[in-house]
Amino acid sequence: SAVISQKPSRDICQRGTSLTIQCQVDSQVTMMFWYRQQPGQSLTLIATANQGSEATYESGFVIDKFPISRPNLTFSTLTVSNMSPEDSSIYLCSAILQGNTEAFFGQGTRLTVV
Amino acid sequence: ELKVEQNPLFLSMQEGKNYTIYCNYSTTSDRLYWYRQDPGKSLESLFVLLSNGAVKQEGRLMASLDTKARLSTLHITAAVHDLSATYFCAVVPGAQKLVFGQGTRLTINP
Repeated sequence: SAVISQKPSRDICQRGTSLTIQCQVDSQVTMMFWYRQQPGQSLTLIATANQGSEATYESGFVIDKFPISRPNLTFSTLTVSNMSPEDSSIYLCSAILQGNTEAFFGQGTRLTVV
Repeated sequence: ELKVEQNPLFLSMQEGKNYTIYCNYSTTSDRLYWYRQDPGKSLESLFVLLSNGAVKQEGRLMASLDTKARLSTLHITAAVHDLSATYFCAVVPGAQKLVFGQGTRLTINP
């Protein structure tokens, strides 16, 4: 098992501003991911956070809008840049541990853009 | 394009009844996950199914996997109100990343 701490847990932001979400895992990690869950919807993968190099983005997501860092094995950040109301969602960090097949999720960050 | 389709998307049932949620996927996957999500909460891992014919059970929930049919089922036995939640399946088409189904919103009525 793993504990994945995300912060902030929620925020209300003005349009045009940026928010950085942090994700810390308490165990050794092989893979880290960032997902978005729009209200009442399923989860959509934004990107794979790669340690020490640029993240791998899924179709429809770009680095300028969602810059991601992963400076070490257990920590990653996601920034939502130049926010608009359409960015209002829950953002979830996920990790797969070394020697494990389970994918664990943080508690999510509920973002509202006004 | 990979598709992960859950059926039904909405399910309202009475306590004590049995029901099954289906998860079909359109490409090979070396494992399949089932998660539970309560309103306003994150995802709770229920099962990881790793091979064809795998069956796992926890309490009133039982999950199975048929990789040849690309089908997984989540069976609920003698449902109780506490099982009300949204259930997601997810497959791994490659590179360890999960692709989720649409979710099944389950409501269990007394």
